[in-house]
Amino acid sequence: DGGITQSPKYLFRKEGQNVTLSCEQNLNHDAMYWYRQDPGQGLRLIYYSQIVNDFQKGDIAEGYSVSREKKESFPLTVTSAQKNPTAFYLCASTLGDITNTEAFFGQGTRLTVV
Amino acid sequence: AQRVTQPEKLLSVFKGAPVELKCNYSYSGSPELFWYVQYSRQRLQLLLRHISRESIKGFTADLNKGETSFHLKKPFAQEEDSAMYYCALIEAGGTSYGKLTFGQGTILTVHP
Repeated sequence: DGGITQSPKYLFRKEGQNVTLSCEQNLNHDAMYWYRQDPGQGLRLIYYSQIVNDFQKGDIAEGYSVSREKKESFPLTVTSAQKNPTAFYLCASTLGDITNTEAFFGQGTRLTVV
Repeated sequence: AQRVTQPEKLLSVFKGAPVELKCNYSYSGSPELFWYVQYSRQRLQLLLRHISRESIKGFTADLNKGETSFHLKKPFAQEEDSAMYYCALIEAGGTSYGKLTFGQGTILTVHP
């Protein structure tokens, strides 16, 4: 069953702790993305990666870090430096070919920091 | 820097009425634009892309480079069209190749 999987669905952490969100895809996609979804602000791009071992900052990268050691995996770490980490996080992937750029999304992870 | 703006957070229409969801963009290169839709309890999914000039579920969108707009239109709205709609732009060149940016989203409600 091909697709993109985010885990866990819900995550609770104490303030000051780093936390890592998982994103795995078996679509053989080259490009992967992380977004943050807040009410009234739409999807804001955190990081994206066009190829293994390479990634770029999006529009709100401060307080986040990523790695892309494998094609199928793009984990996101929310660090203690992120001032307002409580949010809904979405991961997406595409083939990487601009002319065929349908993005497939995971079901999201809702992170709550207390 | 690229930017996608959807001026309406909420849009309500009655069944059978025409609907237009607005999207404006700013981008120095040649844009690749899309509309994505998220139905209740479902994942965000592609609705249509400007490059294919297709009509999906009765929706169309025309790229107007002069007005830098990519508005989504449907002549007769249906209740099942009620959803969150996002306009998106991907950079097709330069140092930010592949950067996929979304607008703020518009919640469309179609009343019976």
